[in-house]
Amino acid sequence: KAGVTQTPRYLIKTRGQQVTLSCSPISGHRSVSWYQQTPGQGLQFLFEYFSETQRNKGNFPGRFSGRQFSNSRSEMNVSTLELGDSALYLCASSLELARPDTQYFGPGTRLTVL
Amino acid sequence: LAKTTQPISMDSYEGQEVNITCSHNNIATNDYITWYQQFPSQGPRFIIQGYKTKVTNEVASLFIPADRKSSTLSLPRVSLSDTAVYYCLVGDIETGRRALTFGSGTRLQVQP
Repeated sequence: KAGVTQTPRYLIKTRGQQVTLSCSPISGHRSVSWYQQTPGQGLQFLFEYFSETQRNKGNFPGRFSGRQFSNSRSEMNVSTLELGDSALYLCASSLELARPDTQYFGPGTRLTVL
Repeated sequence: LAKTTQPISMDSYEGQEVNITCSHNNIATNDYITWYQQFPSQGPRFIIQGYKTKVTNEVASLFIPADRKSSTLSLPRVSLSDTAVYYCLVGDIETGRRALTFGSGTRLQVQP
């Protein structure tokens, strides 16, 4: 069974632009969670989608948004990029709502904002 | 959400036992303690999870004292391939509070 895939793997943008990242969960998984990982802040939860509905949300500004499609694939959008948005963005999928022992992480998308 | 504190880094040698301690003073009654491992350019991978006392699986052991304000991940006889960052995570998996907050992690370097 294929793992969680994320595209693109690397991305370079400039301040003020917007970006969309994609995550394809493991086949059959209905939950997709997004995380931001930076050297200074570590791994921080952004939001979780389950059956096309946002179920949980972390403490990030409204510039960070997401959505989930009927096939469980998810996209994350960041508008008006700031230098501090440079990070590794990870998504994780679960069969049901995310639990620590049932999440499977993808390899991440490394975003660099110049 | 409970905040976690871990050592930034640790060094060990192959064959030794490694113990990584995580502090979580504000842990709530419904919170579980979970440890993840992360290699460079990969997402975190679940290692072990527990609520109290001791949990052991084929990879590691997790020791949780009665007050649950800390926990210790024990890796027996580490090898070079155990070089990674280890995250302690405290979160409520039974209710809607599923915002899983990771700590800064402990970078374990295993030397030959």
